[in-house]
Amino acid sequence: NAGVTQTPKFRVLKTGQSMTLLCAQDMNHEYMYWYRQDPGMGLRLIHYSVGEGTTAKGEVPDGYNVSRLKKQNFLLGLESAAPSQTSVYFCASSLPDVGDIQYFGAGTRLSVL
Amino acid sequence: DQQVKQNSPSLSVQEGRISILNCDYTNSMFDYFLWYKKYPAEGPTFLISISSIKDKNEDGRFTVFLNKSAKHLSLHIVPSQPGDSAVYFCAASTNTNAGKSTFGDGTTLTVKP
Repeated sequence: NAGVTQTPKFRVLKTGQSMTLLCAQDMNHEYMYWYRQDPGMGLRLIHYSVGEGTTAKGEVPDGYNVSRLKKQNFLLGLESAAPSQTSVYFCASSLPDVGDIQYFGAGTRLSVL
Repeated sequence: DQQVKQNSPSLSVQEGRISILNCDYTNSMFDYFLWYKKYPAEGPTFLISISSIKDKNEDGRFTVFLNKSAKHLSLHIVPSQPGDSAVYFCAASTNTNAGKSTFGDGTTLTVKP
Protein backbone atom coordinates (compact mmCIF):
# COMPACT_ATOMS: atom_id res chain seq x y z
CA ASN A 1 0.00 0.00 0.00
CA ALA A 2 1.73 3.18 -1.22
CA GLY A 3 -0.38 5.68 0.79
CA VAL A 4 0.29 9.21 -0.43
CA THR A 5 2.81 9.67 -3.22
CA GLN A 6 4.20 13.04 -4.30
CA THR A 7 6.09 13.74 -7.50
CA PRO A 8 8.61 15.15 -8.05
CA LYS A 9 10.68 14.97 -4.87
CA PHE A 10 12.94 17.87 -5.83
CA ARG A 11 12.69 20.66 -8.35
CA VAL A 12 14.57 23.84 -9.15
CA LEU A 13 12.75 26.54 -11.09
CA LYS A 14 13.68 29.93 -12.44
CA THR A 15 11.51 32.90 -11.55
CA GLY A 16 8.53 33.02 -13.86
CA GLN A 17 8.53 29.35 -14.80
CA SER A 18 5.53 27.17 -14.20
CA MET A 19 5.17 23.68 -12.83
CA THR A 20 2.70 21.18 -11.46
CA LEU A 21 3.13 19.06 -8.36
CA LEU A 22 1.26 15.78 -8.38
CA CYS A 23 -0.22 14.05 -5.35
CA ALA A 24 -1.75 10.59 -5.57
CA GLN A 25 -3.39 8.59 -2.79
CA ASP A 26 -4.61 5.01 -2.88
CA MET A 27 -6.63 5.01 0.36
CA ASN A 28 -9.90 6.19 -1.21
CA HIS A 29 -9.85 9.29 0.97
CA GLU A 30 -12.35 12.04 0.29
CA TYR A 31 -10.29 14.94 1.58
CA MET A 32 -6.95 16.09 0.21
CA TYR A 33 -4.72 18.99 1.17
CA TRP A 34 -1.68 20.90 0.02
CA TYR A 35 0.60 22.49 2.63
CA ARG A 36 3.83 24.37 2.53
CA GLN A 37 6.43 24.30 5.25
CA ASP A 38 9.04 27.01 5.59
CA PRO A 39 12.06 26.79 7.92
CA GLY A 40 11.07 27.09 11.58
CA MET A 41 7.42 27.20 10.75
CA GLY A 42 4.56 24.81 10.84
CA LEU A 43 2.43 23.54 8.01
CA ARG A 44 0.38 26.21 6.29
CA LEU A 45 -2.60 25.15 4.24
CA ILE A 46 -2.53 26.31 0.63
CA HIS A 47 -5.65 24.67 -0.85
CA TYR A 48 -7.77 21.71 -0.01
CA SER A 49 -10.46 19.53 -1.55
CA VAL A 50 -13.40 17.78 0.08
CA GLY A 51 -14.15 15.63 -2.93
CA GLU A 52 -13.63 15.02 -6.62
CA GLY A 53 -14.24 18.17 -8.63
CA THR A 54 -14.19 20.50 -5.61
CA THR A 55 -11.43 22.73 -4.29
CA ALA A 56 -11.19 25.53 -1.75
CA LYS A 57 -8.66 28.09 -0.58
CA GLY A 58 -6.67 27.60 2.55
CA GLU A 59 -4.56 30.00 4.56
CA VAL A 60 -1.98 30.93 1.87
CA PRO A 61 -3.55 30.35 -1.59
CA ASP A 62 -2.06 33.25 -3.56
CA GLY A 63 0.14 32.21 -6.48
CA TYR A 64 -1.18 28.64 -6.54
CA ASN A 65 -3.95 26.80 -8.30
CA VAL A 66 -5.25 23.29 -7.76
CA SER A 67 -7.38 20.70 -9.48
CA ARG A 68 -9.07 17.49 -8.32
CA LEU A 69 -10.31 15.85 -11.50
CA LYS A 70 -10.01 12.36 -10.03
CA LYS A 71 -10.63 11.35 -6.44
CA GLN A 72 -7.17 9.89 -6.03
CA ASN A 73 -5.22 12.83 -7.47
CA PHE A 74 -4.72 16.40 -6.30
CA LEU A 75 -2.57 18.70 -8.42
CA LEU A 76 -0.89 21.89 -7.26
CA GLY A 77 0.13 24.37 -9.94
CA LEU A 78 2.45 27.33 -9.88
CA GLU A 79 1.74 29.50 -12.92
CA SER A 80 4.62 31.94 -12.49
CA ALA A 81 7.04 30.86 -9.79
CA ALA A 82 8.53 33.42 -7.41
CA PRO A 83 11.46 33.08 -4.97
CA SER A 84 8.94 33.42 -2.11
CA GLN A 85 7.52 30.06 -3.17
CA THR A 86 10.75 28.29 -2.30
CA SER A 87 9.56 25.80 0.28
CA VAL A 88 8.82 22.18 1.04
CA TYR A 89 5.37 21.17 -0.14
CA PHE A 90 3.40 18.40 1.51
CA CYS A 91 0.27 16.73 0.30
CA ALA A 92 -2.06 14.94 2.69
CA SER A 93 -5.32 13.06 2.58
CA SER A 94 -7.93 12.07 5.14
CA LEU A 95 -11.38 10.65 5.63
CA PRO A 96 -14.23 13.15 6.13
CA ASP A 97 -14.54 13.08 9.90
CA VAL A 98 -13.80 15.52 12.65
CA GLY A 99 -10.26 15.17 13.88
CA ASP A 100 -9.53 12.58 11.28
CA ILE A 101 -5.94 11.63 10.85
CA GLN A 102 -4.15 13.12 7.88
CA TYR A 103 -1.74 10.95 5.93
CA PHE A 104 1.14 12.82 4.39
CA GLY A 105 3.38 12.31 1.42
CA ALA A 106 7.15 12.59 1.72
CA GLY A 107 7.21 16.14 0.40
CA THR A 108 8.51 18.07 -2.61
CA ARG A 109 11.44 20.39 -2.06
CA LEU A 110 11.10 23.33 -4.44
CA SER A 111 13.68 26.03 -5.02
CA VAL A 112 12.86 29.08 -7.11
CA LEU A 113 15.90 31.04 -8.22
CA ASP B 1 -3.06 35.48 15.03
CA GLN B 2 -1.55 32.05 15.47
CA GLN B 3 -4.25 29.82 16.92
CA VAL B 4 -1.95 26.92 17.82
CA LYS B 5 1.37 27.70 19.45
CA GLN B 6 4.30 25.55 20.40
CA ASN B 7 6.46 27.95 22.34
CA SER B 8 9.51 25.74 22.64
CA PRO B 9 11.30 25.37 19.29
CA SER B 10 13.56 22.68 20.72
CA LEU B 11 13.90 20.28 23.62
CA SER B 12 16.80 18.05 24.61
CA VAL B 13 16.45 15.15 27.05
CA GLN B 14 18.51 12.19 28.15
CA GLU B 15 17.58 8.71 27.03
CA GLY B 16 15.28 7.05 29.55
CA ARG B 17 13.97 10.33 30.94
CA ILE B 18 10.57 11.92 30.30
CA SER B 19 10.04 14.29 27.38
CA ILE B 20 7.24 16.84 27.76
CA LEU B 21 6.18 18.81 24.71
CA ASN B 22 3.69 21.62 25.15
CA CYS B 23 1.07 23.22 22.96
CA ASP B 24 -1.29 26.14 23.59
CA TYR B 25 -4.32 27.15 21.58
CA THR B 26 -6.58 30.17 21.48
CA ASN B 27 -9.69 28.97 19.64
CA SER B 28 -12.18 27.52 22.11
CA MET B 29 -14.04 25.89 19.19
CA PHE B 30 -11.27 23.34 18.69
CA ASP B 31 -12.60 19.97 19.73
CA TYR B 32 -9.96 17.54 18.52
CA PHE B 33 -6.21 17.63 18.98
CA LEU B 34 -3.54 15.58 17.29
CA TRP B 35 0.21 15.13 17.54
CA TYR B 36 2.31 14.33 14.50
CA LYS B 37 5.93 13.29 14.36
CA LYS B 38 8.25 14.22 11.51
CA TYR B 39 11.65 12.83 10.64
CA PRO B 40 13.96 14.71 8.23
CA ALA B 41 13.11 14.25 4.55
CA GLU B 42 9.82 12.53 5.42
CA GLY B 43 6.25 13.67 5.77
CA PRO B 44 4.59 14.00 9.19
CA THR B 45 3.04 10.85 10.60
CA PHE B 46 0.23 10.65 13.11
CA LEU B 47 1.24 9.85 16.65
CA ILE B 48 -1.66 10.27 19.06
CA SER B 49 -4.85 12.30 19.41
CA ILE B 50 -7.38 13.39 22.00
CA SER B 51 -10.96 14.55 21.86
CA SER B 52 -12.03 17.60 23.85
CA ILE B 53 -14.34 15.43 25.94
CA LYS B 54 -11.34 13.68 27.44
CA ASP B 55 -8.42 14.96 29.48
CA LYS B 56 -6.00 12.13 28.87
CA ASN B 57 -5.20 9.59 26.19
CA GLU B 58 -2.45 7.03 26.41
CA ASP B 59 -0.77 4.84 23.80
CA GLY B 60 2.25 2.92 24.98
CA ARG B 61 5.03 5.35 25.87
CA PHE B 62 3.00 8.32 24.64
CA THR B 63 0.39 10.17 26.67
CA VAL B 64 -1.43 13.35 25.73
CA PHE B 65 -3.02 15.54 28.39
CA LEU B 66 -5.62 18.19 27.66
CA ASN B 67 -6.47 21.10 29.96
CA LYS B 68 -9.42 22.82 28.31
CA SER B 69 -9.71 25.60 30.86
CA ALA B 70 -6.11 26.58 30.22
CA LYS B 71 -6.34 25.82 26.49
CA HIS B 72 -3.22 23.74 26.86
CA LEU B 73 -2.17 20.27 25.87
CA SER B 74 1.01 18.34 26.38
CA LEU B 75 2.62 15.21 25.02
CA HIS B 76 4.57 13.04 27.44
CA ILE B 77 7.02 10.44 26.20
CA VAL B 78 8.22 7.99 28.83
CA PRO B 79 10.84 6.66 28.63
CA SER B 80 12.40 8.71 25.85
CA GLN B 81 14.47 6.85 23.27
CA PRO B 82 16.99 8.14 20.70
CA GLY B 83 14.60 7.07 17.94
CA ASP B 84 12.09 9.60 19.29
CA SER B 85 14.34 12.41 18.06
CA ALA B 86 12.17 14.24 15.53
CA VAL B 87 10.03 17.33 15.06
CA TYR B 88 6.67 17.10 16.82
CA PHE B 89 3.71 19.09 15.55
CA CYS B 90 0.60 19.82 17.53
CA ALA B 91 -2.59 20.22 15.47
CA ALA B 92 -6.17 21.16 16.29
CA SER B 93 -9.45 20.93 14.41
CA THR B 94 -13.15 21.68 14.76
CA ASN B 95 -16.11 19.62 13.61
CA THR B 96 -17.22 22.41 11.28
CA ASN B 97 -13.92 22.78 9.49
CA ALA B 98 -14.11 20.16 6.75
CA GLY B 99 -11.40 18.07 8.36
CA LYS B 100 -8.89 20.90 8.26
CA SER B 101 -6.34 21.10 11.03
CA THR B 102 -4.38 24.08 12.27
CA PHE B 103 -0.75 23.22 12.99
CA GLY B 104 1.74 24.64 15.43
CA ASP B 105 5.29 25.48 14.36
CA GLY B 106 6.73 22.29 15.81
CA THR B 107 9.19 21.35 18.54
CA THR B 108 12.43 19.59 17.69
CA LEU B 109 13.08 16.87 20.24
CA THR B 110 16.58 15.49 20.65
CA VAL B 111 17.03 12.43 22.85
CA LYS B 112 20.66 11.92 23.81
CA PRO B 113 21.99 8.40 24.39
